[in-house]
Amino acid sequence: QKEVEQNSGPLSVPEGAIASLNCTYSDRGSQSFFWYRQYSGKSPELIMFIYSNGDKEDGRFTAQLNKASQYVSLLIRDSQPSDSATYLCAVNFYSGAGSYQLTFGKGTKLSVIP
Amino acid sequence: DGGITQSPKYLFRKEGQNVTLSCEQNLNHDAMYWYRQDPGQGLRLIYYSQIVNDFQKGDIAEGYSVSREKKESFPLTVTSAQKNPTAFYLCASSMARGSGANVLTFGAGSRLTVL
Repeated sequence: QKEVEQNSGPLSVPEGAIASLNCTYSDRGSQSFFWYRQYSGKSPELIMFIYSNGDKEDGRFTAQLNKASQYVSLLIRDSQPSDSATYLCAVNFYSGAGSYQLTFGKGTKLSVIP
Repeated sequence: DGGITQSPKYLFRKEGQNVTLSCEQNLNHDAMYWYRQDPGQGLRLIYYSQIVNDFQKGDIAEGYSVSREKKESFPLTVTSAQKNPTAFYLCASSMARGSGANVLTFGAGSRLTVL
């Protein structure tokens, strides 16, 4: 069974601080990793994806991947109240015959306090 | 603008009734998906389709049915056999399921409540 684990939170950070969201996954052969943001009652929207070990930066967001530790994280710098949402980690697992299946974690709820 | 349209946004169903959720995309994506989300839970895959007239069961297909007669459309029917259908249903699409990239674009969702 392919599993993606996230701390459900809530994670509370003050405005302007760095929020750190973490995710672990069970399959060492996983190729690609995604972070989605979901506001309450809305659908998920892609923040960023990462394929290679190391860091990938996009504006205030940095994704970090460590395949040896089977760990991916999302850092949000200068957190704003508008960042308050649930963050979903998703991992693309190889399911055989050239096919991949995207598995989502349960999400971490982030609250940025003004 | 390209995107995915789901309808209806809210739907109420009596026990024993089948209901169909609509999903239409104009992104020219090959692959389409249906997910279910329950409060405090991640997304669970119901069905997916990589090409027209072909679809595969996901992790929780029991009590659901789909069709893919056109590339743009992937409707989901929640049948009376689904014992706990109250949930938020999300339709998504991607360029191709076979690749390792699999960037999903989601519709706005349909919230189904069983009375």
